[in-house]
Amino acid sequence: DAGVIQSPRHEVTEMGQEVTLRCKPISGHDYLFWYRQTMMRGLELLIYFNNNVPIDDSGMPEDRFSAKMPNASFSTLKIQPSEPRDSAVYFCASRPTGNTGELFFGEGSRLTVL
Amino acid sequence: AQRVTQPEKLLSVFKGAPVELKCNYSYSGSPELFWYVQYSRQRLQLLLRHISRESIKGFTADLNKGETSFHLKKPFAQEEDSAMYYCALKRNQGGKLIFGQGTELSVKP
Repeated sequence: DAGVIQSPRHEVTEMGQEVTLRCKPISGHDYLFWYRQTMMRGLELLIYFNNNVPIDDSGMPEDRFSAKMPNASFSTLKIQPSEPRDSAVYFCASRPTGNTGELFFGEGSRLTVL
Repeated sequence: AQRVTQPEKLLSVFKGAPVELKCNYSYSGSPELFWYVQYSRQRLQLLLRHISRESIKGFTADLNKGETSFHLKKPFAQEEDSAMYYCALKRNQGGKLIFGQGTELSVKP
């Protein structure tokens, strides 16, 4: 298994543009998490899904952020419109049910909004 | 509310020196605590969890419920320990993992 796969690895865009980040979890994992990593705030949980259903989106910063999981093998995090303060590394992670809490992380998507 | 606090953003030690990365948490129930590590150009990965009471790469961490702490320790730091370390908390009945702000450990030769 290639692990959690994220794309793009790097994205540079201009303020106001729409950004879509993608994630493919490990097959068989029913939990999927989106985190944002910044120097100031560390790793912040944005939203997580269980069996494709959003369970907790309290970490989503504002309405400009949205996340979907249309099926068990794909999730997107969208920012529209993007702002410079959204610049960060966005991580996707997954884990199976019954696991004691170990998350398997993707390599991250580094977003720069100019 | 759940919270994980890592008071040090950067910890710099010399090779062979002891190291302690601090982690404090706030949670009223019975938490599960973890340490994750991110080496340069590698994925964030689990280092150890409190319920296993294990030593990984010479690191140990003891859950102190009285002080609500889960500090990570190693008696003799190695250069290859240089990395970003995150403490994390999971509620006993919950699905989500909450991370601290992270501590960058730099081990100098």
